[in-house]
Amino acid sequence: AQSVTQLDSHVSVSEGTPVLLRCNYSSSYSPSLFWYVQHPNKGLQLLLKYTSAATLVKGINGFEAEFKKSETSFHLTKPSAHMSDAAEYFCVVRLNTGGFKTIFGAGTRLFVKA
Amino acid sequence: SQTIHQWPATLVQPVGSPLSLECTVEGTSNPNLYWYRQAAGRGLQLLFYSVGIGQISSEVPQNLSASRPQDRQFILSSKKLLLSDSGFYLCALEQQGRVVGQPQHFGDGTRLSIL
Repeated sequence: AQSVTQLDSHVSVSEGTPVLLRCNYSSSYSPSLFWYVQHPNKGLQLLLKYTSAATLVKGINGFEAEFKKSETSFHLTKPSAHMSDAAEYFCVVRLNTGGFKTIFGAGTRLFVKA
Repeated sequence: SQTIHQWPATLVQPVGSPLSLECTVEGTSNPNLYWYRQAAGRGLQLLFYSVGIGQISSEVPQNLSASRPQDRQFILSSKKLLLSDSGFYLCALEQQGRVVGQPQHFGDGTRLSIL
């Protein structure tokens, strides 16, 4: 069965320190993987996507993610957190076969302390 | 570029009242359209999706319905709202066709509170 697991429901960092949001997936097929960010009372904004090209993907606002097939992981990182990064982050898997179903993780709330 | 309009942004309705939320898109043709709901502190729940005019697939049985009267219009409705219908409703689109790496794009949502 296909699934997405975001390993932390909440992550708290200090401004200027690195961010790591963890995501593991389970898929029988080669998936496409995405990270979205959601600020309060806003829709989801696409941060970055992996589609079987380079395994290290760079996105907007200084975020990047690395696809590791052997670990079935797609963790999101940023070298230095900014207060404006405080939001909810969703890891998403899209199956590139069959019904092309999209599966959303449960989300990770990122808190950034001054 | 494609844009998604949702309105209203916020809505407060009494239990038992009807509902109509509208989503319109620009900058694309024949998109796949989706309605999601986020309950407080929870992830996204897919409610309906549509691959074309008049074509609606329901993911969760409930008192909500959806319609797609035009290519770029997607409407979420209810005849009688329940307290459990409270939440944040998001409309999303993706380009038509089964393309590898196709992301979904989201509108800014409607916050629905049922009293």
